[in-house]
Amino acid sequence: RKEVEQDPGPFNVPEGATVAFNCTYSNSASQSFFWYRQDCRKEPKLLMSVYSSGNEDGRFTAQLNRASQYISLLIRDSKLSDSATYLCVNTGFQKLVFGTGTRLLVSP
Amino acid sequence: NAGVTQTPKFRILKIGQSMTLQCTQDMNHNYMYWYRQDPGMGLKLIYYSVGAGITDKGEVPNGYNVSRSTTEDFPLRLELAAPSQTSVYFCASSYKNSNQPQHFGDGTRLSIL
Repeated sequence: RKEVEQDPGPFNVPEGATVAFNCTYSNSASQSFFWYRQDCRKEPKLLMSVYSSGNEDGRFTAQLNRASQYISLLIRDSKLSDSATYLCVNTGFQKLVFGTGTRLLVSP
Repeated sequence: NAGVTQTPKFRILKIGQSMTLQCTQDMNHNYMYWYRQDPGMGLKLIYYSVGAGITDKGEVPNGYNVSRSTTEDFPLRLELAAPSQTSVYFCASSYKNSNQPQHFGDGTRLSIL
């Protein structure tokens, strides 16, 4: 089993839609979780941290379910500029473990 | 506010040549990492360092070497370039420990011909 698993997509959605991604992880001892965004041929950038209580940043909401070992990202009112690959990340021994990403395409 | 700086941004090498990819950070981060990313694929960890003088292998270290003589710098060395090392290389750093988010440089695009 991979340490972090994500549906590669692509998720094709129209502008204004709500879209959700899930990610499962295998390391039950992981302490920190993040969502990163990566644009084509660019470096990954931190989108948001994920807390047990759930957290929201504008149109983005992240949730952590430790019992089922998954994290989620919800994007409301999708914009064209949200088109990117979203990487699920959790902590391993002395390093972060990155998923391979879920690709989102938002169309007009 | 420089953050993580990588040089060069682009490079073409011939098979068998060697080069050093430079990475420096000005955030006083303890942890530093090197990744490679092949087209359409995820990040693969090459080497990492938890502090000056300490380095360790990631999942794909063969063909690479690193050193960490200062907190700021973490160069990656390719000794005998091979076509399989054609990739985008990202350097990243994090503060204090591995539970902190990583900050990435904007990458070095390397082609081996």
